Amino acid sequence: GAVVSQHPSRVICKSGTSVKIECRSLDFQATTMFWYRQFPKKSLMLMATSNEGSKATYEQGVEKDKFLINHASLTLSTLTVTSAHPEDSSFYICSANKRTGNPYEQYFGPGTRLTVT
Amino acid sequence: QKEVEQNSGPLSVPEGAIASLNCTYSDRGSQSFFWYRQYSGKSPELIMFIYSNGDKEDGRFTAQLNKASQYVSLLIRDSQPSDSATYLCAVFSSGSARQLTFGSGTQLTVLP
Repeated sequence: GAVVSQHPSRVICKSGTSVKIECRSLDFQATTMFWYRQFPKKSLMLMATSNEGSKATYEQGVEKDKFLINHASLTLSTLTVTSAHPEDSSFYICSANKRTGNPYEQYFGPGTRLTVT
Repeated sequence: QKEVEQNSGPLSVPEGAIASLNCTYSDRGSQSFFWYRQYSGKSPELIMFIYSNGDKEDGRFTAQLNKASQYVSLLIRDSQPSDSATYLCAVFSSGSARQLTFGSGTQLTVLP
């Protein structure tokens, strides 16, 4: 199998605080992990691509200082939303490529629902 | 800019009918194509992928790819109410970024 977990599944935080979301590949090593954001009734928008041991590549319009990504190992990537505001409320989903296997296939985590009050 | 277009729907079909979902893409260098199903409040789950022109069948699902027309579709035979979800078309972009570009999704409702 190829299982990806995310923690927490839901989080509510106050405006101005920071929130960390973890993405783990449980039974495989991930060469690359991706972070997406999805607003209600909208499609997934890629925020950034992270490779283990290197800096993340952010998509145009995504503030790297606001959305901090750390990919410390082949099984863990974290996304920290700094100084969160209500407009950051969204569904955040990570995915991972297997280190071995088809490079085109991504395995998605269950998502994290962030609500900023 | 690489784009993936889908009709947003909603698409309603009666139980037992064939549901047809369509997707077009703009990048001629696209190499592989994916269909994901997403239930409300959940993350996408992969249904099928297709790399070569033609049809690919897996159970009740058939993916069809026409690279000349830059068109990919998903047929669901014998549709069931449990198939009601949003279906996302995704295209693997060329280059080393290994990025998937998603369409906006088509909402499918299968009526009992």
